[in-house]
Amino acid sequence: GQQVMQIPQYQHVQEGEDFTTYCNSSTTLSNIQWYKQRPGGHPVFLIQLVKSGEVKKQKRLTFQFGEAKKNSSLHITATQTTDVGTYFCAGRGVSSGSARQLTFGSGTQLTVLP
Amino acid sequence: NAGVTQTPKFQVLKTGQSMTLQCAQDMNHEYMSWYRQDPGMGLRLIHYSVGAGITDQGEVPNGYNVSRSTTEDFPLRLLSAAPSQTSVYFCASSPVPGTTEAFFGQGTRLTVV
Repeated sequence: GQQVMQIPQYQHVQEGEDFTTYCNSSTTLSNIQWYKQRPGGHPVFLIQLVKSGEVKKQKRLTFQFGEAKKNSSLHITATQTTDVGTYFCAGRGVSSGSARQLTFGSGTQLTVLP
Repeated sequence: NAGVTQTPKFQVLKTGQSMTLQCAQDMNHEYMSWYRQDPGMGLRLIHYSVGAGITDQGEVPNGYNVSRSTTEDFPLRLLSAAPSQTSVYFCASSPVPGTTEAFFGQGTRLTVV
């Protein structure tokens, strides 16, 4: 079945440093989504990427979708303490069955040290 | 606007007991799903439904049953609880499967002793 790998599992940064998490799928994706989960909370949608090579920005967050639509990244510039949480990528496959299933990566837990 | 509501928030079960985790959404979404979250493993899909009367298995369906008699409700049943089912369970809904964001409930923390 479809697998989505995400690295690193943990990342500690000093406030103001940059942060990047990477996502790789075993199969081609129709789209990829990113979610943020605060400690003790539930996943909250951040963004969806659909096109090959797509880049989207949300303030200090930059999201990329690879040319082959099998990998993606999230980059945060100048982290703040409010960025603390676990970031998940989640992809949907291109086949009729896998398109109905949102497969999550294992997540990257970000700690921001003040 | 309540969104996705899960009950209970916390539950302790003894091995072998059965129970139902409730999930309701008020957004008229066709697609609903159940995930379990374990440390270091992300969210794994248990079961999903693309509409009332239609359900299908996800990645880890064993030990769980679902039904979808209405658009609003998607309960998850544990038939005979096992310690391996200790986890945090999230219900999610979205308007259309495959192209739109998922809205998650607050989660149910289940412990099986």
